[in-house]
Amino acid sequence: EVQLSESGGGLVQPGGSLRLSCGVSGITFSDYGMNWVRQPPGKGLEWVSHISDTGDDTHYVDSVRGRFTVSRDNSKSTLYLQMNSLRAEDTATYYCTRSRWDVWGQGTTVTVSS
Amino acid sequence: VLTQSPATLSLSPGERATLSCRASQDIRGSLAWYQQKVGQAPRLLIYDASNRATGIPARFSGTGSGTDFTLTISSLEPEDFAVYYCQQRRTWPLTFGGGTKVEIK
Repeated sequence: EVQLSESGGGLVQPGGSLRLSCGVSGITFSDYGMNWVRQPPGKGLEWVSHISDTGDDTHYVDSVRGRFTVSRDNSKSTLYLQMNSLRAEDTATYYCTRSRWDVWGQGTTVTVSS
Repeated sequence: VLTQSPATLSLSPGERATLSCRASQDIRGSLAWYQQKVGQAPRLLIYDASNRATGIPARFSGTGSGTDFTLTISSLEPEDFAVYYCQQRRTWPLTFGGGTKVEIK
């Protein structure tokens, strides 16, 4: 069974940083590109970032480019999202999903507030 | 930009649901549909405009290409009342529509 599990969310002050992790099991992690998607409370879905299977190609939504960095460790089957200079509008549940979009984690909640 | 309509659809179990997604530019067939229930992660229903994902019942179908797409639920089951999102995968940044809530009438 394919499983994705996010962690690392929490409460952070504006301007602060967090690193999210997404542990993957049940598949050969290095075969798949991965994505981060977020959902602010009570609102819709927003794609945040993509990383290729090898990690050498990345893409970001404009609102996070330059502040967020996606990376992966294929030896640990883990995806990361380093989030810096956090803003109130980054408050959301963050999901990881593989490039087939057919399996999602349960999400981790990030709250940016003073 | 993806525009979904209507924002809310009020129907009874057994009725047919027709959800629309319109793209602001030609995305060929690179469109997916998701279902999301409260407190849950999204669930992939349809990819490449018309292909059902693994395990998705046949009552869900997708049509369209270019800029106009439709998700049809042929006969609503109680578990189908949820929010539905479309997503384009043609160009970066990937984008989602604003969602259609299918509620019980």
